[in-house]
Amino acid sequence: SQQGEEDPQALSIQEGENATMNCSYKTSINNLQWYRQNSGRGLVHLILIRSNEREKHSGRLRVTLDTSKKSSSLLITASRAADTASYFCATFFYNTDKLIFGTGTRLQVFP
Amino acid sequence: DTAVSQTPKYLVTQMGNDKSIKCEQNLGHDTMYWYKQDSKKFLKIMFSYNNKELIINETVPNRFSPKSPDKAHLNLHINSLELGDSAVYFCASSLGTGSSGTEAFFGQGTRLTVV
Repeated sequence: SQQGEEDPQALSIQEGENATMNCSYKTSINNLQWYRQNSGRGLVHLILIRSNEREKHSGRLRVTLDTSKKSSSLLITASRAADTASYFCATFFYNTDKLIFGTGTRLQVFP
Repeated sequence: DTAVSQTPKYLVTQMGNDKSIKCEQNLGHDTMYWYKQDSKKFLKIMFSYNNKELIINETVPNRFSPKSPDKAHLNLHINSLELGDSAVYFCASSLGTGSSGTEAFFGQGTRLTVV
């Protein structure tokens, strides 16, 4: 089964608004990663947060991690039409070699 | 230069045929993966290789046989194709796994359509 469950499944916003998507996972992790997938393309890595970190920033992206709740969130600030894509969280099962992806959130940003 | 390249990008074939998808990475990574993405965009890990050795076989039918001739290549051969095999198949690579896991780099995908 999927390691990560994401919500919402789909999100539609206007340009300039913030977009928040959440990921919950099931087992202990060493790190959690977020990826973006544009339509018809492969996945692109966005950001990695380690289990001993609580928050990380990269440009307009802000990721938080709460290991006690086994959850993470990705915030995209001041969204742009080009941010339209599917976003996935991913984790390695603790001490295994499986990189498992969540169910994904489809983000649509309207100009 | 493309970091992870897979060929072909599109593959349309009839049921019962055998087909192969090739993947190459030029990143010097030790670990390579195959994923299957279904029509609902769920990504499911199929196989993982580390230094040419199979480390994960995620209950995939034995009609699917990965082969890693060297660390930079991981090919996927599929025998007796079925309609349910239609999906997008992604190859990926990463520098480490598990406790030293790092970001994965993905190929552009191969859209397989079985008719």
